[in-house]
Amino acid sequence: ETGVTQSPTHLIKTRGQQVTLRCSSQSGHNTVSWYQQALGQGPQFIFQYYREEENGRGNFPPRFSGLQFPNYSSELNVNALELDDSALYLCASSDWTSLYNEQFFGPGTRLTVL
Amino acid sequence: TQLLEQSPQFLSIQEGENLTVYCNSSSVFSSLQWYRQEPGEGPVLLVTVVTGGEVKKLKRLTFQFGDARKDSSLHITAAQPGDTGLYLCAGDQTGANNLFFGTGTRLTVIP
Repeated sequence: ETGVTQSPTHLIKTRGQQVTLRCSSQSGHNTVSWYQQALGQGPQFIFQYYREEENGRGNFPPRFSGLQFPNYSSELNVNALELDDSALYLCASSDWTSLYNEQFFGPGTRLTVL
Repeated sequence: TQLLEQSPQFLSIQEGENLTVYCNSSSVFSSLQWYRQEPGEGPVLLVTVVTGGEVKKLKRLTFQFGDARKDSSLHITAAQPGDTGLYLCAGDQTGANNLFFGTGTRLTVIP
């Protein structure tokens, strides 16, 4: 069974730039969620994708957008980067039919905005 | 705004000691999950509790879900350095697509 993978592991950008983060879901999982984890805090939900459509969104502005592909992999795009976007971005995959919404996380992408 | 508050925020103990971490909310959850996160890695699911009053044991770790399904605790017996990490509780609400994570408890076990 292949776990959740994310790329890149680290990324440094400057304010105003755009970034794309990638995630491959665990085999057998059809749902991908993205979370932002600021230093010293718990993860905050950004959005979820199921059947290639956004299926729930947290309190994040429209410059955070995403995609899900037919193989269930996903991308997170952030436009017009701000300093506060510096964080660990976590991708989690799950099975839509799971009773308890148990999620399996990748190692994350550490984004630094200068 | 965090729906789930964890305490303590930081905990540093000697190997062999016992400890309890608390996860509290004013909201009701259909289930509650505990994760452990180590530096440079994503959270790893430890357990899911779903019934009010439920107690689950995972070796030296004991998890309890409150009767009203608003709170939970994690008790570690005879802590070991390998228990070091960030412990996160996360609640699932009916109809929500996401998990609501707590603020986290950073545990350090000193050999």
